[in-house]
Amino acid sequence: ETGVTQSPTHLIKTRGQQVTLRCSSQSGHNTVSWYQQALGQGPQFIFQYYREEENGRGNFPPRFSGLQFPNYSSELNVNALELDDSALYLCASSSRTKPGELFFGEGSRLTVL
Amino acid sequence: AQTVTQSQPEMSVQEAETVTLSCTYDTSESDYYLFWYKQPPSRQMILVIRQEAYKQQNATENRFSVNFQKAAKSFSLKISDSQLGDAAMYFCAYRSYSGGSNYKLTFGKGTLLTVNP
Repeated sequence: ETGVTQSPTHLIKTRGQQVTLRCSSQSGHNTVSWYQQALGQGPQFIFQYYREEENGRGNFPPRFSGLQFPNYSSELNVNALELDDSALYLCASSSRTKPGELFFGEGSRLTVL
Repeated sequence: AQTVTQSQPEMSVQEAETVTLSCTYDTSESDYYLFWYKQPPSRQMILVIRQEAYKQQNATENRFSVNFQKAAKSFSLKISDSQLGDAAMYFCAYRSYSGGSNYKLTFGKGTLLTVNP
């Protein structure tokens, strides 16, 4: 069984740039969600994708957007990067059979300078 | 909106001893799920234990057990026979029972557990 994988693991961007983070979900999982974890904080829900549609969104501005592909992999895009976007971005996949049991990747550490 | 509060930023325990991590939450819903997740230094978050609010029996998973007090909105995690590998950040999380495919979790700020040899 393949777990959740994320890429890149680390990246550095400058303010105003755009970034794309990628996630491959666990085998058999059709739902992917993204979380932002600032240093010393718990993860904050960004949004969720189910069958290629966004079906839940947290309190994040529209410059945070995403995609889910037919193979259930996903992308998180952030435009016009701000310093406060520096964080660990976690992707998690899940299935309907076990509600709330998220399987997380190791995350992408984004630093915005 | 639901909130999750972990009042202990840090805890420490001696190897082989027992430790309890606290979590309280606020919700107006009657049906929901509660979770404890563990985030070791390698960063990958893993599920420790899960509790459905409609179940009166406290969940247990080997050395991990919870004390779920629905009326008090309290959900503590007890780790028995602590091991060095238990050292990690522990997050309490809440999920609504309703919402179909909406798997949004609301996390607390976490408790950093240190296990001393």
